[in-house]
Amino acid sequence: AQKITQTQPGMFVQEKEAVTLDCTYDTSDPSYGLFWYKQPSSGEMIFLIYQGSYDQQNATEGRYSLNFQKARKSANLVISASQLGDSAMYFCASNSGGYQKVTFGTGTKLQVIP
Amino acid sequence: GAVVSQHPSWVICKSGTSVKIECRSLDFQATTMFWYRQFPKQSLMLMATSNEGSKATYEQGVEKDKFLINHASLTLSTLTVTSAHPEDSSFYICSASTSYEQYFGPGTRLTVT
Repeated sequence: AQKITQTQPGMFVQEKEAVTLDCTYDTSDPSYGLFWYKQPSSGEMIFLIYQGSYDQQNATEGRYSLNFQKARKSANLVISASQLGDSAMYFCASNSGGYQKVTFGTGTKLQVIP
Repeated sequence: GAVVSQHPSWVICKSGTSVKIECRSLDFQATTMFWYRQFPKQSLMLMATSNEGSKATYEQGVEKDKFLINHASLTLSTLTVTSAHPEDSSFYICSASTSYEQYFGPGTRLTVT
C-alpha cells in the first residue's frame, strides 16, 4: 500500500519569492510515479509535474521543479517566482507497481501574499 | 492536451432521488476511468476504478449498489448516485487514464437537500 504525507496544511509566500511544499511517500514497490496537482478554488485538478522512480534527474516544468530525494522518499515541489495565481491547494500523489491507481496526500494550501 | 469533461458541473437534488454524472474523455480514448470523492477541505478519496466493458472495482467502504458505475465506451463513464441522502453531498471528480498519466475532469458538486 502507498502512503503520501504532506505535513504542511498551509503555507504563505511573498509574491516573486520561491516556496517549497513538502511531500514524503511510503511504498515498497521499486517502480512508482510521483505527481503534483494544483487545485484552485474552482475545484479542477491541474496536473503540474511528474517524476518517475527511475528518472535520474529532477523533473522541471517551467516554474515548477520536483526535488526528488529517493533515499529519503521525499518529493518536494518547488515553485519559483510565486505569483498571485499560484494561491491554491496543492496535492502530492503517487502510483506504484505499474498500477494506474493514484493515492493522494492531504494537501497544502498555499497563499501568495502581494 | 487531453481534455476530460464532466456533466453536470453542479446539481441539487432532493433526498431519495438518483443523480447521474457523466465523465467523457474528449480527445482520447481512456481504457480506465477513476471516480473520486472530495469533502470540503479534504483530499481526494478514490471510490472506484472503471474499465471499459467490465465491472467497476470499488474501494473498501464504498457501496457498489449505491454508487453505480457504467463504463460503456472508451470515452464515457457514468456514476449514478442512487437514493441520494444529504451525506452524499460532495464534490465528485473523475479522471481518465492513458498510460501513467491521469487527466481530471472539472468535477461535479452534488448537493442533496
